[in-house]
Amino acid sequence: DAGVIQSPRHEVTEMGQEVTLRCKPISGHNSLFWYRQTMMRGLELLIYFNNNVPIDDSGMPEDRFSAKMPNASFSTLKIQPSEPRDSAVYFCASSLSSSGKGRREETQYFGPGTRLLVL
Amino acid sequence: AQSVAQPEDQVNVAEGNPLTVKCTYSVSGNPYLFWYVQYPNRGLQFLLKYITGDNLVKGSYGFEAEFNKSQTSFHLKKPSALVSDSALYFCAVRDLPSNAGNNRKLIWGLGTSLAVNP
Repeated sequence: DAGVIQSPRHEVTEMGQEVTLRCKPISGHNSLFWYRQTMMRGLELLIYFNNNVPIDDSGMPEDRFSAKMPNASFSTLKIQPSEPRDSAVYFCASSLSSSGKGRREETQYFGPGTRLLVL
Repeated sequence: AQSVAQPEDQVNVAEGNPLTVKCTYSVSGNPYLFWYVQYPNRGLQFLLKYITGDNLVKGSYGFEAEFNKSQTSFHLKKPSALVSDSALYFCAVRDLPSNAGNNRKLIWGLGTSLAVNP
């Protein structure tokens, strides 16, 4: 079981450059979450998808950030242009959301993260 | 408003002693409650969750947590701490109102750093 896969694991770039982070969720999972973690702000949810559709992007900081999920096995988070304040660890997580009424039992499983440094 | 509080930024405990990491929550409906652990330079790992049923939930690595509805708490516990338990611990809650719809967001605490001293 491969778990959630993220690439790259580390990224160093210069201010103004485009950055693309990639995520492959656990096979069979239908929800995908992008988080950002910093010392100052802790863990922040940026956006999440259900069945490849963005459900809530209220956490996306600004228009420089965009996320896509073209299919069930791949998602990208893009920052263009990047700024030094975007430096953080970006996590992707996935879960299996059950359908139907009643309580949904969902556990999010996290990838190892991408450590981004914008100079 | 939904919220999660981890009142202690850091907890220090001697190896072999019992440990408790505190979490309180506020939701409008019935909560799903989760604990995750993050080791240095790693992603968050799921430890345990409360959905329904027994208030005492057992999880990975010998951890357990007790759901207390009257006190709106979900404290993480372990009878005997190990040095290898030193990590950052996160509590999270998901609110399930009757019109849950597609809501799958978790509300996260700020984390508690656990240090287990040899």
